[in-house]
Amino acid sequence: KNEVEQSPQNLTAQEGEFITINCSYSVGISALHWLQQHPGGGIVSLFMLSSGKKKHGRLIATINIQEKHSSLHITASHPRDSAVYICAVRFFYGGSQGNLIFGKGTKLSVKP
Amino acid sequence: DSGVTQTPKHLITATGQRVTLRCSPRSGDLSVYWYQQSLDQGLQFLIQYYNGEERAKGNILERFSAQQFPDLHSELNLSSLELGDSALYFCASSVEYNEQFFGPGTRLTVL
Repeated sequence: KNEVEQSPQNLTAQEGEFITINCSYSVGISALHWLQQHPGGGIVSLFMLSSGKKKHGRLIATINIQEKHSSLHITASHPRDSAVYICAVRFFYGGSQGNLIFGKGTKLSVKP
Repeated sequence: DSGVTQTPKHLITATGQRVTLRCSPRSGDLSVYWYQQSLDQGLQFLIQYYNGEERAKGNILERFSAQQFPDLHSELNLSSLELGDSALYFCASSVEYNEQFFGPGTRLTVL
C-alpha cells in the first residue's frame, strides 16, 4: 500500500526556533510536494522536489530518495508561519505517474 | 494569489440536491485537478483533466462527475448530496506534472 506518513502531527514552537517537519513514504516516487494550508483554508504550494534540496527564504526542503524521507525546515520561525504543512507524493504506477497522495498534515503553532 | 479561481466560495444546500462547482485554471495550465478535503479523511484526489480529456480518476463517487471545457475551465458536479459530502473542494492547475497551484476552495455544507 502506498502511504505517506508525517510527523509530528502537532507542533508548538516559540518564535525564533528552528522547526523540522518530517515525511516518509513507502515506495518509489516521481516527486514530493510540500504544501502550506493557512487557518482560513487556502493551500499554497511551497516546494516540489525529486532530489536534493531546495530553499526559499526561511524555508528549506530536503529529500533522501534512498531513505524515502523528506524534511521541511523553517529557520527563525515566526507566528505567521502558523499553519498546517502537508506532504504529498506522486508514486510511480507500473512505469507511469500516479496521482498525489497526501499526508495527514502537521499543525504548527508558533507563539510570540 | 495563485491565479486559480473557484466559485462559489461557500455553498449551503440540502441532502438530495445537486450542485456545480466551477474552476478556472491559471493561464497556460492545461491540467486541472479536483480534491476533496474533509475533517476525517484529509485531502483526497478526485479527478484530473488534461486539455479537455479525463486523465486520471481517484476516489470519486459515482454521484460525482466533472468535465473540462474548451476554454479549459472545469466544473465538478455533485448530485444526490449526502451529509458526508460536506467538505472543502479544491481545484488545482499545473503544467503537466509540475508544481500545482491551488484555488481558494469551495466550502460545501450539506444540511
